[in-house]
Amino acid sequence: EPEVTQTPSHQVTQMGQEVILRCVPISNHLYFYWYRQILGQKVEFLVSFYNNEISEKSEIFDDQFSVERPDGSNFTLKIRSTKLEDSAMYFCASSVSAGRGRNEQFFGPGTRLTVL
Amino acid sequence: QQQVKQSPQSLIVQKGGISIINCAYENTAFDYFPWYQQFPGKGPALLIAIRPDVSEKKEGRFTISFNKSAKQFSLHIMDSQPGDSATYFCAASVNYGQNFVFGPGTRLSVLP
Repeated sequence: EPEVTQTPSHQVTQMGQEVILRCVPISNHLYFYWYRQILGQKVEFLVSFYNNEISEKSEIFDDQFSVERPDGSNFTLKIRSTKLEDSAMYFCASSVSAGRGRNEQFFGPGTRLTVL
Repeated sequence: QQQVKQSPQSLIVQKGGISIINCAYENTAFDYFPWYQQFPGKGPALLIAIRPDVSEKKEGRFTISFNKSAKQFSLHIMDSQPGDSATYFCAASVNYGQNFVFGPGTRLSVLP
């Protein structure tokens, strides 16, 4: 069964450093998402991406965040200058479509980011 | 108004019992209500979802009840099993998905 994969599973970084989290969405999916989950808290939407551009983003997704689909398979989340409060589990998700129809979002296993 | 409230925070049920988790929302523009199941160390996985034009949806042991006028929806797990022990999140979105607003989650423990 196809699945969303994410690397690395755990990333430790120093405050102020840049990190790139990587995701490989399911191959025939066209919509891609990033969510984060601070330990013990709810899942929060960050951004959705379609046709090589951001389609929607939340207040959390400020100028220090960026997303990119550098090739036909990878989808990345970059945090330019990490802060302590960026420590969280980051989930990538993908869906065939959005809106009515096949909009089920499939989530990857997550990358745990720890900022020291 | 973008919040989705969820209760209880945690739930302990005996094997074979019924687990009930409740969610409430304010934004009447929400039109898609999925429930996600998350096991430790894993990403959320879609369990069942409902749209506001139906009041109930059943898939196996899982049922969503939806009350549009009260802006509430709930997940019922019949014949709960220890393998159902997980964290359950309700969610809501506008335009049938993209930006999901998640509830805070309910940690369910089913005792053998």
